[in-house]
Amino acid sequence: QVQLVESGGGVVQPGRSLRLSCAASGFSFSSYAMNWVRQAPGKGLEWVAAISYDAYNKYHADSVKGRFTISRDNSKNTLYLQMNSLRPEDTAVYYCAREAVAGLPTFDYWGQGTLVTVSS
Amino acid sequence: QSALTQPASVSGSPGQSITISCTGASSDVGYYDFVSWYQQHPGEAPKLMIYDVSNRPSGISNRFSGSKSGNTASLTISGLQPEDEADYYCSSFTGSSTRVVFGGGTKLTVL
Repeated sequence: QVQLVESGGGVVQPGRSLRLSCAASGFSFSSYAMNWVRQAPGKGLEWVAAISYDAYNKYHADSVKGRFTISRDNSKNTLYLQMNSLRPEDTAVYYCAREAVAGLPTFDYWGQGTLVTVSS
Repeated sequence: QSALTQPASVSGSPGQSITISCTGASSDVGYYDFVSWYQQHPGEAPKLMIYDVSNRPSGISNRFSGSKSGNTASLTISGLQPEDEADYYCSSFTGSSTRVVFGGGTKLTVL
C-alpha cells in the first residue's frame, strides 16, 4: 500500500535551517510528481512546493520562494524540503503529498505530517 | 493568488444533506475544472474526497458529490453520518507558478 512518512521536524530558532524528508513506499515513486503542503496550528492548508517526477520542474509558493527548496532522490524514494532562514510564521505541520496526475495538483495520498516549530 | 472562500462552519442533523461552497475567481475555479475537496479529521492528514469538480476516488461513498457553477464550486454530503464531522477544504488549480490554492476550510458539525 502507498505510504508516505515524513521526518525531520522539530524546534528551531528563527533564521536557522531544517531539512524535511518524506520516505515513499508502495508505489513507483519515480513516476509521480510530489508536493509539500503545510498547516499552521489551528489554520488551513497552504501549498508550499511541487516537483515533477524527474525533478526537472520545481515550483515554490511566493511565501517561501528563495528560502525553501524542494528536491528528490528517486534512487532512495525520498522527497526533501530544505528550509532556510526560517521565520516564526513557518511554524506548521508539513505534509508531503503525491500528485495523482502529473501536472495537476490533486493529492491522492498524504503523509501523517511532521511538525516544525520556529521559536527562540 | 488569494485563498478560496469557504464558510467557516456548517451543521446538519444525521440523515440530512448539507452543501459547502467554495468561491474563487475566473482565473482558478471559474477557469479550470480541477477543483478538489479534502476531508480532515482532527489530528489526521487530509483525505481526498472529490477531484476534477465531481469525481470520487475509489472507496469514497456516493453520499459525497461535487459540482461547479461559474466561480463557485460546491460539495454536497447527503445522508449525513456522525463520522462526516470534520473539516473540509477545497482546492483549485491556478495555472500559475502558484500551482494550487486552497480554501480556508469549513468545519462540519453533525448535530
